[in-house]
Amino acid sequence: GESVGLHLPTLSVQEGDNSIINCAYSNSASDYFIWYKQESGKGPQFIIDIRSNMDKRQGQRVTVLLNKTVKHLSLQIAATQPGDSAVYFCAENIGYGNKLVFGAGTILRVKS
Amino acid sequence: SQTIHQWPATLVQPVGSPLSLECTVEGTSNPNLYWYRQAAGRGLQLLFYSVGIGQISSEVPQNLSASRPQDRQFILSSKKLLLSDSGFYLCAWSPGLFTDTQYFGPGTRLTVL
Repeated sequence: GESVGLHLPTLSVQEGDNSIINCAYSNSASDYFIWYKQESGKGPQFIIDIRSNMDKRQGQRVTVLLNKTVKHLSLQIAATQPGDSAVYFCAENIGYGNKLVFGAGTILRVKS
Repeated sequence: SQTIHQWPATLVQPVGSPLSLECTVEGTSNPNLYWYRQAAGRGLQLLFYSVGIGQISSEVPQNLSASRPQDRQFILSSKKLLLSDSGFYLCAWSPGLFTDTQYFGPGTRLTVL
């Protein structure tokens, strides 16, 4: 079936560096994507979203890029901080009921 | 502002016992509501969603059921828990039926022994 997956299960970066987390999706009809951050023992926290009519969207220190040609999504975190350490999930909207399909997640570890 | 609550935060139950997890949302009306399960170190699996009172859609066949007795209340239940029901249960809400962000509650950690 359709699914959302992540290229890298774990990403380690030095504090202050930029981080890039990647996600591949397979449902070409999906038109809405979300990135979530989940800290240990907590519920996922919304970071940023993007609709399929956009290629790029920026937030505070975060940027999401969408490449519909290759069905690829990425999350860029600028000047990564220790507080950014968490699991990051991409999610894909699959239609009525606003249902989301989540990827497996990427662990981001920030080294001080 | 909107707030989503879940309780209990943690629960340890014996195999074969019943289950009731509750989720409530404040500060909005007629939300879409969702139950997810997350196994350790894994992604989120959608279990149920509801677009209105008494309207429940099941995503996967399982030992669980859901109910929505009130507009902003969503309950996850089981008559007899299995070991495989252990996990982190998350409730979420969204304001619309299409292409809207889902906002998650703090979750319930369920351990079935």
